[in-house]
Amino acid sequence: AQSVTQLGSHVSVSEGALVLLRCNYSSSVPPYLFWYVQYPNQGLQLLLKYTTGATLVKGINGFEAEFKKSETSFHLTKPSAHMSDAAEYFCAVSERGNQGGKLIFGQGTELSVKP
Amino acid sequence: DTGVSQDPRHKITKRGQNVTFRCDPISEHNRLYWYRQTLGQGPEFLTYFQNEAQLEKSRLLSDRFSAERPKGSFSTLEIQRTEQGDSAMYLCASSFAGLTYEQYFGPGTRLTVT
Repeated sequence: AQSVTQLGSHVSVSEGALVLLRCNYSSSVPPYLFWYVQYPNQGLQLLLKYTTGATLVKGINGFEAEFKKSETSFHLTKPSAHMSDAAEYFCAVSERGNQGGKLIFGQGTELSVKP
Repeated sequence: DTGVSQDPRHKITKRGQNVTFRCDPISEHNRLYWYRQTLGQGPEFLTYFQNEAQLEKSRLLSDRFSAERPKGSFSTLEIQRTEQGDSAMYLCASSFAGLTYEQYFGPGTRLTVT
């Protein structure tokens, strides 16, 4: 069965600092990989996805993530944090070969940005 | 394209009552998903439809929960005899299977059972 682990339920960075949110997955076959962001009392917004091809993917708002098969990881980074990046971030996977299918989410990482 | 919409946004009900939520997906999307999210947790999959067909149901979905998508457009999620443990955010998402793989989420319906 697939599973997702996000290391660190809460990450705090200073404005302008590097953001690194960690995600590891467990799957017998490399799945499709996603990062979503959730602002308070709102739904989830897709930041970026990896399905095939280049393993470094760029998303919205300056975020990017790198798929590393050998490490079963898909960490999210942003070179310089903004106050507006404060939110909950979720890593998710879906089964390859089912045209997507259900998402399995990690527990989430709350990002705080200090001025 | 108005995105995924959900109604109501908030629902407060007494234990034992029935509630129904509605989701309108992005119009050209053929897949519709329901998830449940409790405080401090990631969303958990409940069920999904491709067109009218319900293709998968989670074991989390007890007999008190039922979902429909009668014409392959909007969907409803009904919870019968609500319990306090049903209090959560219920999220709907849609996608176009065969074209892209990402799901687009609605704003959610927050259910509080008192």
